Amino acid sequence: EVQLLESGGDLVQPGGSLRLSCAASGFTFSSHAMSWVRQAPGKGLEWVSTITKRGDDTYYADSVKGPCTISRDNSKNTLYLQMNSLRAEDTAVYFCARGAGQIFRNWYFDLWGRGTLVTVSS
Amino acid sequence: QSVLTQPPSVSGAPGQRVTISCTGSSSNIGAGYDVHWYQQLPGTAPKLLIYGDNNRPSGVPDRFSGSKSGTSASLAITGLQAEDEADYYCQSYDNSLSGHYVFGTGTKVTVL
Repeated sequence: EVQLLESGGDLVQPGGSLRLSCAASGFTFSSHAMSWVRQAPGKGLEWVSTITKRGDDTYYADSVKGPCTISRDNSKNTLYLQMNSLRAEDTAVYFCARGAGQIFRNWYFDLWGRGTLVTVSS
Repeated sequence: QSVLTQPPSVSGAPGQRVTISCTGSSSNIGAGYDVHWYQQLPGTAPKLLIYGDNNRPSGVPDRFSGSKSGTSASLAITGLQAEDEADYYCQSYDNSLSGHYVFGTGTKVTVL
């Protein structure tokens, strides 16, 4: 079955760190760019970060640039998001999404995981 | 704040046609970048509905269609059904300083 399964979400104190993982199965992981998209409680979708299929290029939203690092291990079919210096505003469900499309600027997200909840609170 | 603006809500009776607008600017939709649409049913992950302005992935009913003109795009749902009640988001690319992928503000579709 083609799927993405996120894990690693937790309750963390402000200033803390967390590493999210996304395990891919059922497709050739190394053939796709991958992204993280988040959704704060009751709010809309917000793109967080994207990594190219070989991991040689990474892109970040201004809101997470610096504290967050996206990475991947193609040998393990796994995507990661290292989140540092967490703030209350980072509280959200974090979705892993597979990239699709021929041109970088026209990429879209054709497969989504169920998400993992990150709560930043003291 | 999102750079793509959608109406907060639209509603229609079963069988009717509804449209959702997605208004951008010259740094995203107006620059010619593709627009994509996602459907998010309550409590679930988003699902790709339309890609490349007006293409449907396999399995998406032809009741859903997309269009684009100038700095705006639209999603139309014809023959509205109860299971279409969900949140809908447009997505594109923005070449401004903050850059990269942007989502619309989201629209809640209610089937009366």
